[in-house]
Amino acid sequence: DQQVKQNSPSLSVQEGRISILNCDYTNSMFDYFLWYKKYPAEGPTFLISISSIKDKNEDGRFTVFLNKSAKHLSLHIVPSQPGDSAVYFCAASRNRDDKIIFGKGTRLHILP
Amino acid sequence: AAGVIQSPRHLIKEKRETATLKCYPIPRHDTVYWYQQGPGQDPQFLISFYEKMQSDKGSIPDRFSAQQFSDYHSELNMSSLELGDSALYFCASSLGRLYNEQFFGPGTRLTVL
Repeated sequence: DQQVKQNSPSLSVQEGRISILNCDYTNSMFDYFLWYKKYPAEGPTFLISISSIKDKNEDGRFTVFLNKSAKHLSLHIVPSQPGDSAVYFCAASRNRDDKIIFGKGTRLHILP
Repeated sequence: AAGVIQSPRHLIKEKRETATLKCYPIPRHDTVYWYQQGPGQDPQFLISFYEKMQSDKGSIPDRFSAQQFSDYHSELNMSSLELGDSALYFCASSLGRLYNEQFFGPGTRLTVL
């Protein structure tokens, strides 16, 4: 049973526009959420995280929003740049010291 | 800056053979994690080691074993390989058992024929 779901396998966005990647989770015990970015032939790289006590965390062009009641989080990238083309994994854990459960990823294509 | 090193980067094996994947963590990192990512799948946590002792166990098959050595590098040993073992195997490391502060290696792509 997939506890972290990324229902869009791929997403194409025009350069300069906003990219919104969505993620849903089923386990109400999850307390900590992360986004990773992965380029081909490289391992996942940590991008941004949020704990359940917050509903928004911002880092430069990247903002993560958390809606606990809906068990939903999203990653906003604005403005989107060509280098943002990658696979984005949503991940969750019960706390910072617990195993991370990954989603299947969303491939983001930034169009020129 | 030094990153996590995995070797080999690519490995091709036949069914029922054995394979050994190696992981060299970032210097001073004491915790190593192994993940398996099948085609089109999410990375699945297999096992982790902290200070050379197994600290957490995930969905690692009994045919697989792993250990962390005194220099903190880790090896994942896979026996009686099956076609379904074909996957990308990631190693990650961290300083302390902090899953949210893992740094991932580039992965080893294992193909079982």
